[in-house]
Amino acid sequence: KNQVEQSPQSLIILEGKNCTLQCNYTVSPFSNLRWYKQDTGRGPVSLTIMTFSENTKSNGRYTATLDADTKQSSLHITASQLSDSASYICVVRSNDYKLSFGAGTTVTVRA
Amino acid sequence: KAGVTQTPRYLIKTRGQQVTLSCSPISGHRSVSWYQQTPGQGLQFLFEYFSETQRNKGNFPGRFSGRQFSNSRSEMNVSTLELGDSALYLCASSLNTAEETQYFGPGTRLLVL
Repeated sequence: KNQVEQSPQSLIILEGKNCTLQCNYTVSPFSNLRWYKQDTGRGPVSLTIMTFSENTKSNGRYTATLDADTKQSSLHITASQLSDSASYICVVRSNDYKLSFGAGTTVTVRA
Repeated sequence: KAGVTQTPRYLIKTRGQQVTLSCSPISGHRSVSWYQQTPGQGLQFLFEYFSETQRNKGNFPGRFSGRQFSNSRSEMNVSTLELGDSALYLCASSLNTAEETQYFGPGTRLLVL
C-alpha cells in the first residue's frame, strides 16, 4: 500500500475559482513534506517544503497546510489560472531519507 | 543562471542494451538526485549523489547505477534494459542536500523496444 495517498485523482475547475488538493500519508518518522507542480512534458517544480513544525506555507497563490498529528496535508490554489493546469504531486521524506511519492492530482482549469 | 540540463532528451533502445543518461546541475549545486517516472508507478527515487558519493539509494535493482563527477555533473547507467525501464528519467539538483529545494531538469524519455 502506498504510504502517500492523494485525492482527488483529478479535478476540473473554472478559471478564477479556488480548489483544494489532499495528501494523506503514513510515513513515519517524518522529516518533511513537499508539493510539486508538474506541467505536461516538463520536470516537476517545487512549490513548498514543510517540516514537522510548520503548519502553513505559501507560495504566491498556492498555500500548503500540514497537520502532522493526523498526517494530512492540503494544497490550496486561490483564484485559479489556466496556467495552473498541471499535475500536483505530494512527496514525503522520512527521517532516514526515504522518499514516498503520491500518485498526483491532475488539475484542469477551464476558461 | 542556467537550469538543470539533461541529455539526451529522447532515446530509443532495445531490450538487453545499456544506456547512459547525463545530468548537469545548476552551477554551484552539489547534490544531484535521479528519479524514474512512469504512468503506472508515478515518481520513484533512484539515488542521490553529493560530492561524488552516493548518499541515498531507492529500491531499484543493481542494473541501475550512477556516479557523480568532481564538477557535480552526474550520469546514470541502466544495463540489460527491460521493457519496463521505459520511462521519463528526471534529474534534480540542489545546493547541498536533497532536503533543500530541488530543481528538476526536463528529463530524458527512454523507450525500450
